[in-house]
Amino acid sequence: NAGVTQTPKFQVLKTGQSMTLQCAQDMNHNSMYWYRQDPGMGLRLIYYSASEGTTDKGEVPNGYNVSRLNKREFSLRLESAAPSQTSVYFCASRRAGAYNSPLHFGNGTRLTVT
Amino acid sequence: GENVEQHPSTLSVQEGDSAVIKCTYSDSASNYFPWYKQELGKRPQLIIDIRSNVGEKKDQRIAVTLNKTAKHFSLHITETQPEDSAVYFCAAVSGGGADGLTFGKGTHLIIQP
Repeated sequence: NAGVTQTPKFQVLKTGQSMTLQCAQDMNHNSMYWYRQDPGMGLRLIYYSASEGTTDKGEVPNGYNVSRLNKREFSLRLESAAPSQTSVYFCASRRAGAYNSPLHFGNGTRLTVT
Repeated sequence: GENVEQHPSTLSVQEGDSAVIKCTYSDSASNYFPWYKQELGKRPQLIIDIRSNVGEKKDQRIAVTLNKTAKHFSLHITETQPEDSAVYFCAAVSGGGADGLTFGKGTHLIIQP
């Protein structure tokens, strides 16, 4: 039982390049999330998917797109990377339908855009 | 939407002393308040949580208190140890929580030997 798995762990991009961050969970969770973490800013929600087939914007969605490929997988795409997108990205999942279900995080992807 | 304020941003305490981190929230409909600990270079992990129908919860050296009227909740760590050094995040969930958790900005707890 791996929990939430993210790839890659590290990535360096040049401004304007594109990339996709991959996330998969094996806990049969319905809800999946992408957060970014910046110093002094905490964890901010980029996009979420409450269930397979649905996606919604979070607090900071600009410059990102997501795909809920199936129940297990939720990817985050940067179409044209900008230095402001330098951050640590965390994917997370939780059981739907229970307000007190905790978030389970992946190990994060450290992205640098030069 | 929900807004969570967390204080202080940095807290330094002597080993063996107690540490208290405080959070306030804005949405009176919020009903679940987890706390996460994040060690350097690692992912956030849940350490304790409290539901809105409970005023206090304790787990060994860690306790959380909730004041619904004032809309604030706090994390208390007693007899602090070096391994308690980390960044701690409070969070709030309102309603069904389909849109996830709203996090505070974090507190960097430093345990001085």
